[in-house]
Amino acid sequence: GENVEQHPSTLSVQEGDSAVIKCTYSDSASNYFPWYKQELGKRPQLIIDIRSNVGEKKDQRIAVTLNKTAKHFSLHITETQPEDSAVYFCAVEVSTGKLIFGQGTELSVKP
Amino acid sequence: DAGVIQSPRHEVTEMGQEVTLRCKPISGHNSLFWYRQTMMRGLELLIYFNNNVPIDDSGMPEDRFSAKMPNASFSTLKIQPSEPRDSAVYFCASSFGTRGTLQETQYFGPGTRLLVL
Repeated sequence: GENVEQHPSTLSVQEGDSAVIKCTYSDSASNYFPWYKQELGKRPQLIIDIRSNVGEKKDQRIAVTLNKTAKHFSLHITETQPEDSAVYFCAVEVSTGKLIFGQGTELSVKP
Repeated sequence: DAGVIQSPRHEVTEMGQEVTLRCKPISGHNSLFWYRQTMMRGLELLIYFNNNVPIDDSGMPEDRFSAKMPNASFSTLKIQPSEPRDSAVYFCASSFGTRGTLQETQYFGPGTRLLVL
């Protein structure tokens, strides 16, 4: 089955710095790659997604890049703020239409 | 829109008891997903329905777990009998898409925190 690896598992940055989280996947037929943010005790919420017909997508301080050849995609957060502190999950949609989630990255932004 | 609604929000039960979790998807969505989240295993898909039909139940742990979707606005996840290792947060999510080609945002409910003693 599909395997999604996410790194790092924890990430600590200073406020204002950039943060990068990377995911790799195994199913070359996958075409949809969302990122979810989960604050402590809350539900996961979509923050950005990318489809395989584009290589990069940006939304204000958040961007996602996709390399289909290498089967990896990354989340980039610039000018980090304390409210960015949360657990971030990457996901990959497989052929049956379900999402396979990475193990999550706990991001801590220190003031 | 009220979003995805789940009940109960918290459940504490004793080993061996039956547990029923409920979910109301967002109106108009035709896909519904049940997830389980634990520290050890992360976020796992248990089962998903499209147009009320179960499409993929390969994540259902064992026969003690069952899920139904009798209509487009209601689904249940039942655990019978419950065991301590079932303690987790159970999320329901919904989206709109066609089987096999979703590529649409999944909206998660607030979750049910289950503790089995």
